[in-house]
Amino acid sequence: AQSVTQPDIHITVSEGASLELRCNYSYGATPYLFWYVQSPGQGLQLLLKYFSGDTLVQGIKGFEAEFKRSQSSFNLRKPSVHWSDAAEYFCAVVGGSNDYKLSFGAGTTVTVRA
Amino acid sequence: EAQVTQNPRYLITVTGKKLTVTCSQNMNHEYMSWYRQDPGLGLRQIYYSMNVEVTDKGDVPEGYKVSRKEKRNFPLILESPSPNQTSLYFCASSFYGASDTLHFGNGTRLTVT
Repeated sequence: AQSVTQPDIHITVSEGASLELRCNYSYGATPYLFWYVQSPGQGLQLLLKYFSGDTLVQGIKGFEAEFKRSQSSFNLRKPSVHWSDAAEYFCAVVGGSNDYKLSFGAGTTVTVRA
Repeated sequence: EAQVTQNPRYLITVTGKKLTVTCSQNMNHEYMSWYRQDPGLGLRQIYYSMNVEVTDKGDVPEGYKVSRKEKRNFPLILESPSPNQTSLYFCASSFYGASDTLHFGNGTRLTVT
């Protein structure tokens, strides 16, 4: 079964600074990988996803993520953080196109300081 | 507006009193799923449905039931709630499965005393 680890529970970053959130997955083959964001009091919204092809994936709100098979990682990055990026971020994995189970990591809370 | 609607947003109940959390989507999605979110554990899948009358267990199905009699609705039923089911619940839907973009409802915060 697939699993996801987000090593950082909480990250504080200054507005305008860069941000990187770590995600490691466990799955035998190439999984489908996702990053979702949850703003306070809201449901989750998809930031980006990786299925195959180019390992650098662009998403919404200026986010990107890089798939590294050798490290079983799918880290999320943003070059310059805005105060509105304060939220909880979840990495998730599906085992394949026929797999209906989505496994989430425990999440990373991002605080943005002025 | 395309959306997933959950009701109620907040619910406080007592142990053993049956309850239903409703979920409805207006996007003609085939796939629907329920998750619970607990601090430090992220979201865990309770049940999912690939289509009408087709459901299957997720990772934490104990104590929950679901039904999918119509494509748009996927209610979550707690026959005899217990305090360990106190959680934040999310319903989500997509066109064809978990590998498709999931659209989430705004959540239902359930407290069982």
